[in-house]
Amino acid sequence: AQSVTQPDIHITVSEGASLELRCNYSYGATPYLFWYVQSPGQGLQLLLKYFSGDTLVQGIKGFEAEFKRSQSSFNLRKPSVHWSDAAEYFCAVGDNTDKLIFGTGTRLQVFP
Amino acid sequence: KAGVTQTPRYLIKTRGQQVTLSCSPISGHRSVSWYQQTPGQGLQFLFEYFSETQRNKGNFPGRFSGRQFSNSRSEMNVSTLELGDSALYLCASSLEASFSNTGELFFGEGSRLTVL
Repeated sequence: AQSVTQPDIHITVSEGASLELRCNYSYGATPYLFWYVQSPGQGLQLLLKYFSGDTLVQGIKGFEAEFKRSQSSFNLRKPSVHWSDAAEYFCAVGDNTDKLIFGTGTRLQVFP
Repeated sequence: KAGVTQTPRYLIKTRGQQVTLSCSPISGHRSVSWYQQTPGQGLQFLFEYFSETQRNKGNFPGRFSGRQFSNSRSEMNVSTLELGDSALYLCASSLEASFSNTGELFFGEGSRLTVL
């Protein structure tokens, strides 16, 4: 069965520091991969997605993610974090029945 | 363009009662999916509707049901509520049935259900 693992439940970084959030997936075929962000009291917003092609994808708000098939990973990165990036981040894989399987999320805290 | 609208935003029920949650998708979107979000389990897929037909169903008991109307609005119902049903219920819409075509689900802010 498809699954997504986000090994870091909670990450704290200083404003201006770089960020990497880890995501590993389990899926037999070529996956559809997504990163969503959820601010407090809000729904989820799509940051970026990977379907095929270039393994480095750019998203909104300065985020990028790299698909590494050999490592079954799709880590999210940002070179310089802003205080407004504090939120919960979800990695998801789309399966062949068009369901999204989400990871349990990583809560990002940003210190000034 | 208005986003996905979910009502009510907050509600409190007692065990054994039932609840109905409503979701209005973005205008023109024909697919509506429902997810349950809890601190321990994260987001769990409940079901998806497209053109009034259930396309997909997650691993939830029969107490959880849903439907979609001809205007694409959707409702989900939970009967015989249990304490463990306390969660944020998120609705998401997309243009087509397959997100592989459009690549994106648009989420509402959710309905927070507390069962006492």
